[in-house]
Amino acid sequence: QKEVEQNSGPLSVPEGAIASLNCTYSDRVSQSFFWYRQYSGKSPELIMSIYSNGDKEDGRFTAQLNKASQYVSLLIRDSQPSDSATYLCAVNDKDSSYKLIFGSGTRLLVRP
Amino acid sequence: DAGVTQSPTHLIKTRGQHVTLRCSPISGHKSVSWYQQVLGQGPQFIFQYYEKEERGRGNFPDRFSARQFPNYSSELNVNALLLGDSALYLCASSTQVGPKETQYFGPGTRLLVL
Repeated sequence: QKEVEQNSGPLSVPEGAIASLNCTYSDRVSQSFFWYRQYSGKSPELIMSIYSNGDKEDGRFTAQLNKASQYVSLLIRDSQPSDSATYLCAVNDKDSSYKLIFGSGTRLLVRP
Repeated sequence: DAGVTQSPTHLIKTRGQHVTLRCSPISGHKSVSWYQQVLGQGPQFIFQYYEKEERGRGNFPDRFSARQFPNYSSELNVNALLLGDSALYLCASSTQVGPKETQYFGPGTRLLVL
């Protein structure tokens, strides 16, 4: 069983819409959750980190965490074509906090 | 401030050869992690070094080794290269260790093994 699961997509949304990206994880004691954006051929870029249940907002991005459901999501408001990328969800390992476990990523396409 | 830097950017090797990849962390960061990312997958943890000591190792064979220098830069070495080692190798640095440790990635080294 995969430890971090994401829908591979592509998720296609029109420009200006809200894009909703989802991630589930298997380890109940994970403490840190991250969203990275990766453009094709580039390295992952940190967008958001979240540690507590609830919502965390940063500009057009909102991360949502529900530890009871083992679910973390990323909302992108007013989506722009430049947001088109693969979004990676990462969770820290229960035994080794320094080790990030990544999902395979969701590809987002924002149509002009 | 400069981010994480890696060299070289691209590398082509043949099976059986050895490769050394280099990484310099963000100034002030004492922790360096290495990840392997194959096409279509998320990065997989290889090693982390903190204050020149290995903190952890992922599920990779002994052909993979690493070290960290007094200036906190790091090298990843891979011996006896296999075709399956072709991937993007990512270095990440972090300033603190613990549950809220946040890792920032460098541009990566793309390795092709022929």
